[in-house]
Order: sequence, then C-alpha cells, then structure tokens
Amino acid sequence: DADVTQTPRNRITKTGKRIMLECSQTKGHDRMYWYRQDPGLGLRLIYYSFDVKDINKGEISDGYSVSRQAQAKFSLSLESAIPNQTALYFCATSDSANQPQHFGDGTRLSIL
Amino acid sequence: SQKIEQNSEALNIQEGKTATLTCNYTNYSPAYLQWYRQDPGRGPVFLLLIRENEKEKRKERLKVTFDTTLKQSLFHITASQPADSATYLCALPLGGGYNKLIFGAGTRLAVHP
Repeated sequence: DADVTQTPRNRITKTGKRIMLECSQTKGHDRMYWYRQDPGLGLRLIYYSFDVKDINKGEISDGYSVSRQAQAKFSLSLESAIPNQTALYFCATSDSANQPQHFGDGTRLSIL
Repeated sequence: SQKIEQNSEALNIQEGKTATLTCNYTNYSPAYLQWYRQDPGRGPVFLLLIRENEKEKRKERLKVTFDTTLKQSLFHITASQPADSATYLCALPLGGGYNKLIFGAGTRLAVHP
C-alpha cells in the first residue's frame, strides 16, 4: 500500500463547483503539504501544516482552503472552482527538518 | 526572491552514455540541495540529498555535485538505461522547522536504446 494516498486520482468538474481533494498518510509524519504542478512551472506550495492546530498559507493559497482533520489526514478544498485551477495536485509529507518529502501520486483536476 | 533554474529542454541521450542535468539557483545560499525523480502520472520520488559542505555524493549510478560558489548542482547518471527516462527535479530548502522546499521546473530525460 502507498504511504501517501490521494483521492480522487482524476476529477473533471464545472466552474463554480466546490471540490475536495483528500490526502492520507501512514508514515507518521507531522508535516504535510499541498502543491500544485503546472507544465513549465514546477511545484508550487499551496498550504502546509505542522499538526492539526497549525495551518499556513503557501505561495499560492488564494482560492484554496485546507483542513487537517488528524495527523494523518490533510484535505484541500476549492470553494468555487475556476478553469485556471486546472492542474495536477500533489500532497506530500515529511518528518523533521532537512529530510526528504514523500509525495502521493497526485490528483489530476480539470475544471470546465 | 530565490530562484531555481533547470534546463526546460528535454535531454535526449543514447543508452550507456552519461546524462548530466543542471540546476542553477540565485539569491540564495542553501544548506543543502535535493534531487527527485518524477515519472508521468506519478508523484516525485526522492533520490539524493547533498549538503553545502559536500562537494560530491554518489548512490549507485547516480552522482551529484554541489558548487556553492557557482550556485550550481550537477546530477549525473552513468551507464544510462531507458528505464532512467523521467523528469528530474532539484529542490532547495526555504529554511525553518516546516521543511519547506522550493522546486525547479524539472528537466525531462529520454534515454534511447
């Protein structure tokens, strides 16, 4: 089983809809992250969290919100989706500082 | 602000040759640098971490160098194989206890038989 699981893997929806992407991990890591990947732009940080009481905005948080329901679960929501939020979304975890990040296999989101 | 640059053009090489990928950065003095591999439809997978006081790091057929004067890291794959075809990302730490990283856009490597 994957250590970092993202659901759904693919989603097509319409402008204005509310969407939730979910991430769960079995690695026992405290730190969790949500990234967005667009062609030619690399990974950009949306939100990150140290624990259930700690939520922080990243580089591109506008239009997104998150919830850390438990140490192992971190959800990303788009309250009212717009077409330029079409992208590949990744969840990641890490242990302490100076350690690698571990990624899920992503959610491909298309907003029409 | 910190900036990372990787060659956006794909690198095409013949099987058995050495692939060399470049990561340049500006406005930054990172304590370490990481390299990741990303296959189509998959998340990035960590490969190597090199610290600022290490000139070179090796893992099997992989070698990474880190030149803090040139602000550059080189990633080498020796005796390349078609299975090495993927996109390779470099990442630098933003500091602090959150372990945030800034990623380059990646370079796609294609190894041809």
